[in-house]
Amino acid sequence: SYVLTQPPSVSVAPGQTARITCGGDSIGRKSLHWYQQKPGQAPVLVVYDDKDRPSGIPERFSGSNSGNTATLAISRVEGGDEADYYCQVWDTSSDHPVFGGGTKLTVL
Amino acid sequence: QVKLVQSGDEVKKPGASVKVSCKTSGYTFTRFGISWLRQAPGQGLEWMGWISGDDSYRGVGQRFQGRLSMTADTSTSTAYMELRSLRFDDTGVYFCARGYCSSTSCSGSKFDPWGQGTLVTVSS
Repeated sequence: SYVLTQPPSVSVAPGQTARITCGGDSIGRKSLHWYQQKPGQAPVLVVYDDKDRPSGIPERFSGSNSGNTATLAISRVEGGDEADYYCQVWDTSSDHPVFGGGTKLTVL
Repeated sequence: QVKLVQSGDEVKKPGASVKVSCKTSGYTFTRFGISWLRQAPGQGLEWMGWISGDDSYRGVGQRFQGRLSMTADTSTSTAYMELRSLRFDDTGVYFCARGYCSSTSCSGSKFDPWGQGTLVTVSS
């Protein structure tokens, strides 16, 4: 089955740019979505279809997807951005969605 | 405003069943699918299955074949998930989420929004 690989953790200082990667075989050919999950809360969609933002999501959140790696970038990081971030695609061979293992973003 | 509101937390014994509801509002229920996902304590997200909003089509993850039932009540815009033969490792938070699905496929779908989650604890 299709596998998405994320780094377990990323740390960044406030005001800097955080980059969280999601690796998968030819992932650039798939529509990729990113979710933010804060402790004790449900996930929230922050980027969909590689690079689009739902209404209400700050422009500081951006996405890219090419080759075997997708990236979520969060510019001007704030303390409120501390959360777990998950990438997700739909695996057409199994006809079900696949999630990455999640990345814990820590703001130093 | 689109909202998904789930039923309350549950405590069940091994071998029992649990049924969780997901009441939706703010959109046309039959035009979207509902997926069910879960998260074990301290772990990542796991998809369980999905149901079309018109209750005509279901897709179930391999790990849950034979144990998972899903229904969609179009009269109340509410989806239900029942998991049978509960085991200790079924303990976790269960989420419903709206999926951008056709009547027979969720290919490429994102999940937005999500319900608040229902904690299911399996304990003897």
